[in-house]
Amino acid sequence: QVQLVQSGAEVKKPGASVKVSCRTSEDTFSGHYIHWLRQAPGQGLEWMGVINPTSGNTIYAQKLQGRMTITRGASTSTVDMELSSLTPDDTAVYYCARTDHSNYAGMAHWGQGTQVIVSS
Amino acid sequence: DIVLTQSPLSLAVSPGEPASISCSSNQSLFYNNEHNYMDWYLQKPGQPPHLLIYLASNRASGVPDRFSGSGSDTDFTLKISRVEAEDVGVYYCMQARQSPRTFGGGTTVQIK
Repeated sequence: QVQLVQSGAEVKKPGASVKVSCRTSEDTFSGHYIHWLRQAPGQGLEWMGVINPTSGNTIYAQKLQGRMTITRGASTSTVDMELSSLTPDDTAVYYCARTDHSNYAGMAHWGQGTQVIVSS
Repeated sequence: DIVLTQSPLSLAVSPGEPASISCSSNQSLFYNNEHNYMDWYLQKPGQPPHLLIYLASNRASGVPDRFSGSGSDTDFTLKISRVEAEDVGVYYCMQARQSPRTFGGGTTVQIK
């Protein structure tokens, strides 16, 4: 059973940056896309962006462009998401999720979520 | 961006009764003359969402056959043939036709 494991909860001050990691239980993310999504308290789901870990190509939601960076991590089994210039509106649970390159079959695997709190 | 309108906002169903959730898109989700890029997810309290249906009508691995998805182009439906207690939670539709992926507002299903 594939698992995506995310880094732990973070508390940040406004204006700071946060980096959240997503690691697969498999050897590599090859053949998959990794999406980042978030859910503010009591709200619905918001898609933030996606990376092709093989090529490094990324697409970001327009509202986060310039503040968000998704990168391949230190190993082929890790992807990082960094969000800068944090405000209290960025307080949310952040999720990574995986889709396949070919034969689209939905976001079948999700990380457990990482709580990020932005507060002064 | 593609806008998805989901209804109803909430639903209270007796065990064993059917339930139906609708999702309407402001753009066609049909792509490559082949598939409708609509997914359905269920999020139980305190958990990440999990995939129920992909490409409008394909059940994900391990999803009970009481869940079914239908529809094409701009109008889609998720049906639960006989609701069970474990089906409570918030159901979301999501379009995978283009980036940014977008979600419906969610439908909360409760047991009567």
